[in-house]
Amino acid sequence: DQQVKQNSPSLSVQEGRISILNCDYTNSMFDYFLWYKKYPAEGPTFLISISSIKDKNEDGRFTVFLNKSAKHLSLHIVPSQPGDSAVYFCAASANYGGSQGNLIFGKGTKLSVKP
Amino acid sequence: ETGVTQTPRHLVMGMTNKKSLKCEQHLGHNAMYWYKQSAKKPLELMFVYSLEERVENNSVPSRFSPECPNSSHLFLHLHTLQPEDSALYLCASSQALDSLQEAFFGQGTRLTVV
Repeated sequence: DQQVKQNSPSLSVQEGRISILNCDYTNSMFDYFLWYKKYPAEGPTFLISISSIKDKNEDGRFTVFLNKSAKHLSLHIVPSQPGDSAVYFCAASANYGGSQGNLIFGKGTKLSVKP
Repeated sequence: ETGVTQTPRHLVMGMTNKKSLKCEQHLGHNAMYWYKQSAKKPLELMFVYSLEERVENNSVPSRFSPECPNSSHLFLHLHTLQPEDSALYLCASSQALDSLQEAFFGQGTRLTVV
């Protein structure tokens, strides 16, 4: 069973509006969450992360929100730009006895930002 | 340029062939990883190397054989693959095992098994 779920395979947003990408997880041991962005024919690139001790992390147009009680995180992009069109992967890892575990990825959400 | 380079970018091989995927990083990282991305599936971790020692093998069939001759290079040797092994194979590296959160990924090798 998937531990990290991105239930929307695709999302289409108008340029200038907000894009909200969602991610749910099942493992309560996860304590570090990341978003990766992937363009076609390229590997994923790190975008933004959040530790479980926070509920929000902001970096320019990108903000990640974490709701631990709901085991839910979201990535907000505002304003959205056509260059943001890509596949966005949510990933999580857990700390086991002081050693950070491996990244578990979701299936990704393809974002299309229309001019 | 991500600092992690994979070759070849595309590979078509028959089920009886033997081929190798190559990954190279010049970031001074000590940990390297092989991931598999199949259509409509999450990225799956296959192998983890730290300081040239394999530290994880996620129940990967023996027809996939990794090799890490030094901290800058990682290979994935392929032998008698199946059509269902067709996927994008991604290499990644990080400073250390505990810093995998911000791993750098290569562009991937698109493998097709015919």
